[in-house]
Amino acid sequence: EVQLVESGGGLVQPGGSLRLSCAASGFTLSSYWMHWVRQAPGKGLVWVSRINSDESSTNYADSVKGRFTISRDIAKNTMYLQMNGLRAEDTAVYYCARGGAVASAYWGQGTLVTVSS
Amino acid sequence: QSALSQPASVSGSPGQSITISCTGTSSDVGGYNSVSWYQQYPGKVPKLMIYDVNKRPSGVSNRFSGSKSANTASLTISGLQAEDEADYYCSSYTTSSTLVFGGGTKLTVL
Repeated sequence: EVQLVESGGGLVQPGGSLRLSCAASGFTLSSYWMHWVRQAPGKGLVWVSRINSDESSTNYADSVKGRFTISRDIAKNTMYLQMNGLRAEDTAVYYCARGGAVASAYWGQGTLVTVSS
Repeated sequence: QSALSQPASVSGSPGQSITISCTGTSSDVGGYNSVSWYQQYPGKVPKLMIYDVNKRPSGVSNRFSGSKSANTASLTISGLQAEDEADYYCSSYTTSSTLVFGGGTKLTVL
């Protein structure tokens, strides 16, 4: 059974950093595209980043480019999102999802990131 | 990377058909057959309903169908049921090698 479990969210001050983790089970990360998608409270879905199956390609939304870094550890079957220079507008539930390059059929339950002083 | 444009809300009665539009540009919706649709209940995780414009994942009801014309994609739900009441989001691949979602549409079953 495919499972994705996010962790690492929490309260952080503006300008701070967090690293989100997405632990995968039931499949191997090295075989799939993986995505991060966020959703601010009461708002819509926003795509954040993706990484391809062999980690040769990563892409980012303009709003996070240069501040966020997507990566993965195959040995731990875990994906990460390193978030630096956090802003209030980054406050959201962050979902990891298994793709497809352009569509995601499996989603985690999400982890809440709150950026506030 | 402007969000795709969706109506904020649509409604229909049980048994009717409704269509949700998703308008982009030639740099996203119009340029690729890579439009997806997601259903999300309040407080729940999104569920993939349509991918590659008109393909249904296994287990998704055939009452859900997708199409595209020029820069506008559409999701049609036929035989509307109370359980279809949810938020629906479209997404598309873009020329910047990124993805973009629509703002979401709240479907109300009257």
